[in-house]
Amino acid sequence: RKEVEQDPGPFNVPEGATVAFNCTYSNSASQSFFWYRQDCRKEPKLLMSVYSSGNEDGRFTAQLNRASQYISLLIRDSKLSDSATYLCVVSSNSGYALNFGKGTSLLVTP
Amino acid sequence: DAGVTQSPTHLIKTRGQQVTLRCSPISGHKSVSWYQQVLGQGPQFIFQYYEKEERGRGNFPDRFSARQFPNYSSELNVNALLLGDSALYLCASNLAGTSGIGEQFFGPGTRLTVL
Repeated sequence: RKEVEQDPGPFNVPEGATVAFNCTYSNSASQSFFWYRQDCRKEPKLLMSVYSSGNEDGRFTAQLNRASQYISLLIRDSKLSDSATYLCVVSSNSGYALNFGKGTSLLVTP
Repeated sequence: DAGVTQSPTHLIKTRGQQVTLRCSPISGHKSVSWYQQVLGQGPQFIFQYYEKEERGRGNFPDRFSARQFPNYSSELNVNALLLGDSALYLCASNLAGTSGIGEQFFGPGTRLTVL
């Protein structure tokens, strides 16, 4: 079983739509959780950290459910510039490595 | 401030050859990690170094090795290249102290093609 599982998509949504991504992780001892964004042929960049209490950054909301080992990302009022691959990321047991999901591809259309 | 830099940006090698990839972390960052990203997959952890010591190793064969220098820059070496080693190799740096991962800042990567 993979450490981090995500639906690869693609998700094709119109501008202004709300879209949600989910991921599950297998290691219950993981302590840190993130969403990274990766544009085509570019490096991943941190979008936001994810906390059990949930956190919001503008149009983006992330949630963590430790009991279900489930992480979500909600994007409201999608913009064309949101088109990218969104990577669900979980720290390893040791805390020294990041385990990435395969990524979920989002295409926002006019 | 300069971000993480990597060289070269692209590289073409043939099977059986050896390759060395280089990374310079953000100034002040003492930790460097290496990841391999095959097309269509998420990055996969190879190594982490902190203060010149290896702190973590992913599930990669011994053909992969790395080191960190006193100025915190790092090299990743891959021997006896296989076609399956073709990938984007990403270097990431962070401020991590003696424990924990912290936010990772990635460089633009080196795209390696093995023919």
